[in-house]
Amino acid sequence: AQSVTQLDSHVSVSEGTPVLLRCNYSSSYSPSLFWYVQHPNKGLQLLLKYTSAATLVKGINGFEAEFKKSETSFHLTKPSAHMSDAAEYFCVVSDPKGTGNQFYFGTGTSLTVIP
Amino acid sequence: KAGVTQTPRYLIKTRGQQVTLSCSPISGHRSVSWYQQTPGQGLQFLFEYFSETQRNKGNFPGRFSGRQFSNSRSEMNVSTLELGDSALYLCASSFTSAEQYFGPGTRLTVT
Repeated sequence: AQSVTQLDSHVSVSEGTPVLLRCNYSSSYSPSLFWYVQHPNKGLQLLLKYTSAATLVKGINGFEAEFKKSETSFHLTKPSAHMSDAAEYFCVVSDPKGTGNQFYFGTGTSLTVIP
Repeated sequence: KAGVTQTPRYLIKTRGQQVTLSCSPISGHRSVSWYQQTPGQGLQFLFEYFSETQRNKGNFPGRFSGRQFSNSRSEMNVSTLELGDSALYLCASSFTSAEQYFGPGTRLTVT
């Protein structure tokens, strides 16, 4: 069965320090993987996606993620956190289902950035 | 290109009433998906429509229904509202199903 596990429900970092948000997935197929960010009372914004091309994916706002098939992981990183990065982050796996794709969301990681 | 729009943004209803939410996808996108987001359950998939047909469905009771029009706009309807239906309802559109673009959501409060 397809599933996504975000290993930390809350992460707190100081401004200017690196960010690491961890995500593991299980999938019966070659999955597509995404990271989305949600600011309070807003919809979800796509940060980056992996769709079987380069394993290191660069996204918006300085975020990147590395697809590691052997570890079934897709961790999100950023070298230097900014106050505006404080938000909820969701890891998503997409698998084919029927004639479309089914999207499976992780439970989210809340990122706090300390000034 | 305009993003995904959802109306209304906020809604207050009473138990037992019904509600209709609307979603206009990005121009050219034919797939529209709906999600319910609550603090306790997180993001849960409701259903997906593609070219006016329901293509996928999540595990929600029959009180939750939807439809899609020929211009790809979609509506979802919840009948006989319960307190537990209070949530942020998110709509997402996609072109190739490779990625979804989300609207700002409709915040439904049931009293």
